Amino acid sequence: SQTIHQWPATLVQPVGSPLSLECTVEGTSNPNLYWYRQAAGRGLQLLFYSVGIGQISSEVPQNLSASRPQDRQFILSSKKLLLSDSGFYLCAWSEESYEQYFGPGTRLTVT
Amino acid sequence: GQNIDQPTEMTATEGAIVQINCTYQTSGFNGLFWYQQHAGEAPTFLSYNVLDGLEEKGRFSSFLSRSKGYSYLLLKELQMKDSASYLCAVRDSSTDKLIFGTGTRLQVFP
Repeated sequence: SQTIHQWPATLVQPVGSPLSLECTVEGTSNPNLYWYRQAAGRGLQLLFYSVGIGQISSEVPQNLSASRPQDRQFILSSKKLLLSDSGFYLCAWSEESYEQYFGPGTRLTVT
Repeated sequence: GQNIDQPTEMTATEGAIVQINCTYQTSGFNGLFWYQQHAGEAPTFLSYNVLDGLEEKGRFSSFLSRSKGYSYLLLKELQMKDSASYLCAVRDSSTDKLIFGTGTRLQVFP
């Protein structure tokens, strides 16, 4: 069966510091991968998605970036965090255009 | 434009039935999803509708009317553990991406 991992689970970072969140998927090949952010009381906002290694589409202009160095690895990064980057970050995978399955999430607080 | 509307909050009693509505407007439609999200946790997939009609899965059912841009999630025999947010999401066929509503927070009381 497929499983999706995210780490860390929680993170507190000062403004201006770098960020690296990692997501890995097991039990499937060539999945579509997604990064979402969920701010308090708001819906899920798609940040990036990837249909293959090195193929990244950005949805929202911001100070975040994503990379997919391996088939089942998706990384979300920032060089300098802003207060507005605080939120619940969720990685998800899907097979082609079917339902998406979410990882456990990373709760980021920027202070 | 793209828009998904759901009620913000609902309350219900243990053992009862509750219906959570979702209306949508997208440039293209290729399926509607319902997710359950407990506080502080990730969303979990509940159901998928792409054709009109009712899909039943145990205590949960989901209905879709494409002509009306409308769906509902029906929860029967409510249990305390059903207290959660329920997210409606539509796949836009022009972009193949999921557009999520802000979710309906359901509180089940004994």
